[in-house]
Amino acid sequence: KNEVEQSPQNLTAQEGEFITINCSYSVGISALHWLQQHPGGGIVSLFMLSSGKKKHGRLIATINIQEKHSSLHITASHPRDSAVYICAVDPGTYKYIFGTGTRLKVLA
Amino acid sequence: NAGVTQTPKFRILKIGQSMTLQCTQDMNHNYMYWYRQDPGMGLKLIYYSVGAGITDKGEVPNGYNVSRSTTEDFPLRLELAAPSQTSVYFCASSDRGGANVLTFGAGSRLTVL
Repeated sequence: KNEVEQSPQNLTAQEGEFITINCSYSVGISALHWLQQHPGGGIVSLFMLSSGKKKHGRLIATINIQEKHSSLHITASHPRDSAVYICAVDPGTYKYIFGTGTRLKVLA
Repeated sequence: NAGVTQTPKFRILKIGQSMTLQCTQDMNHNYMYWYRQDPGMGLKLIYYSVGAGITDKGEVPNGYNVSRSTTEDFPLRLELAAPSQTSVYFCASSDRGGANVLTFGAGSRLTVL
């Protein structure tokens, strides 16, 4: 079993829908990162969380340390949100642990 | 700030050739990483460094070497390229222990034929 699991693996939504991507992890962590990767593109950090909730534009990220779970929400989704979203945890060692990503496609 | 700069963006190698992927960051981050990303797979750690002069192996180090002579630069050397090294390579840096920013380069797509 992977130490970081994301769900769903693939997600197709209609423009305007509210989207939730989940990340569960099995190790103790000091921080969790949500990353975005557009097709053929680089990887961009969206959020770093160690507790609570963060919001940036239409994106909201939450984390529950006790339950070892984080969610990334996208409100009023748009085709330009189509990308792979990756959860990465920092277990306090020198190395991050990555999920395999959630591939999101938003249809116009 | 340029962030993390990787070169080249694309490269085709013949089996047995060698090359170096360059990575430079201008954020004074101590931690630097090299990952490879294969289709449908998560990022796999090749090598990492916690500061100038200190490097260590990740999950998939075979066929690669690194050096870290300065805080800014973390080149990845591929020796005797093999088709299994066809992948997209990402360099990343972090200031873990500080604001915990994690920044990636734009990626280098390498094909070994």
